[in-house]
Amino acid sequence: DGGITQSPKYLFRKEGQNVTLSCEQNLNHDAMYWYRQDPGQGLRLIYYSQIVNDFQKGDIAEGYSVSREKKESFPLTVTSAQKNPTAFYLCASSTDRLGGYSPLHFGNGTRLTVT
Amino acid sequence: GQQLNQSPQSMFIQEGEDVSMNCTSSSIFNTWLWYKQDPGEGPVLLIALYKAGELTSNGRLTAQFGITRKDSFLNISASIPSDVGIYFCAGPQYNQGGKLIFGQGTELSVKP
Repeated sequence: DGGITQSPKYLFRKEGQNVTLSCEQNLNHDAMYWYRQDPGQGLRLIYYSQIVNDFQKGDIAEGYSVSREKKESFPLTVTSAQKNPTAFYLCASSTDRLGGYSPLHFGNGTRLTVT
Repeated sequence: GQQLNQSPQSMFIQEGEDVSMNCTSSSIFNTWLWYKQDPGEGPVLLIALYKAGELTSNGRLTAQFGITRKDSFLNISASIPSDVGIYFCAGPQYNQGGKLIFGQGTELSVKP
C-alpha cells in the first residue's frame, strides 16, 4: 500500500539536543511538507519541498532544518535553537508541485517531547 | 496574510444528532478542503470543493463552498461515535505559491 511513514511515533529528548524526524513516502509525489501542530491550533507550515534538492521555508522555519536528497525522503531536524520544540509533527506530500491545489496526504505524525 | 477562522472550536453532542461547523476568511479562496484528524493520527481528506456554490457529499458528510468564496460549511448527519476527532478546513494561499493554510480546527466529541 502506498503511503507516508513517519518514525518514530513518540520521541523524547533533552533540551539542547538536536533531533531528526523521519518521513518517507512511496506515493511518487513531488512535493513534501512538514507541519507543526499544537493543542487548539491549526497546522503551521515549517518547511516544504517541491522537488528534489530544493526546499523553502514555511511560516515557522526558525529552529528547524530539512534536506531533500531523495524524492521519497524529507527528514526534519529540530535544532536546539527551536525555543518550544515539544509538539506533534506531521509530514505530508502532494502530487502538485505548486502545492495547495492538490490535496495533501499526511503521515500519522511524530509526537516530540523535549524536557 | 490570509487566515481561516473555524467555529465552533469544540462541540459535545449526543450520538444521532446532526452537526454543523463552518470556516470563514476575510480573503477569497478558490478551493476549500475539509480534513478529519482522528486522535493521535494524521489528518485525512474528507471533501474537496473547487467551485463557488458547490455542494458535495461524502456519505453522511456534506460540505458547501460559500457563494462569496469567503466561507465553507461542513455538516455531519446522524453522528456516530467514530465521528470523534478534529475537523480542519484548509485552502491554498495565493500569495504563498498555493501552500495550504489551515483553520484552527473544530474538535467534535460524541456521547454514545
